[in-house]
Amino acid sequence: EAGVAQSPRYKIIEKRQSVAFWCNPISGHATLYWYQQILGQGPKLLIQFQNNGVVDDSQLPKDRFSAERLKGVDSTLKIQPAKLEDSAVYLCASSPFRASAPYEQYFGPGTRLTVT
Amino acid sequence: AQSVTQPDIHITVSEGASLELRCNYSYGATPYLFWYVQSPGQGLQLLLKYFSGDTLVQGIKGFEAEFKRSQSSFNLRKPSVHWSDAAEYFCAVGLQGGGFKTIFGAGTRLFVKA
Repeated sequence: EAGVAQSPRYKIIEKRQSVAFWCNPISGHATLYWYQQILGQGPKLLIQFQNNGVVDDSQLPKDRFSAERLKGVDSTLKIQPAKLEDSAVYLCASSPFRASAPYEQYFGPGTRLTVT
Repeated sequence: AQSVTQPDIHITVSEGASLELRCNYSYGATPYLFWYVQSPGQGLQLLLKYFSGDTLVQGIKGFEAEFKRSQSSFNLRKPSVHWSDAAEYFCAVGLQGGGFKTIFGAGTRLFVKA
């Protein structure tokens, strides 16, 4: 089965510019997550979708970050305007809606964002 | 608040030597526990998980972990390390409530010397 796809893999932008990341989860996975991983830290959840509805976005900086999952499949994460502290790897993960394994997640390769 | 602590930022072991990576969690109930591995430029890959039952769980690539409730620990072990095991290892806790939330530790980077 194909894994979680993300693009682009790398992005360099200047502060105050905007950027968008794309994620295609594993086919049939109902739950999709976006994480931010700052260098030297573990991933931090930004937003979680169940199908096309938001389940948890409590740690999403909503003044500059937005995310959507139209049709409950692909998702995009946008930053506008970017700040220097947004430099990080942005990971997308998906999970099957299965009560026996509710927390097992499958991760994409990530997008490394550098804000200069 | 729930948290995951990985006390060792980095560890160096010789190839063929045994390995133990430490993980402690803070949570009121028995959590769901995970170990993930991240190779350079890659996403995270699940090594093993503990949901309930036998406290010693086996994972992929020869890894195992033991859940110790009394110590709030979930340490990862491997009897003989291979050079390809060099990577970053993350312990994580899965929590119920609202959505299914996973909290990751800061990670332990493993270096393997020949």
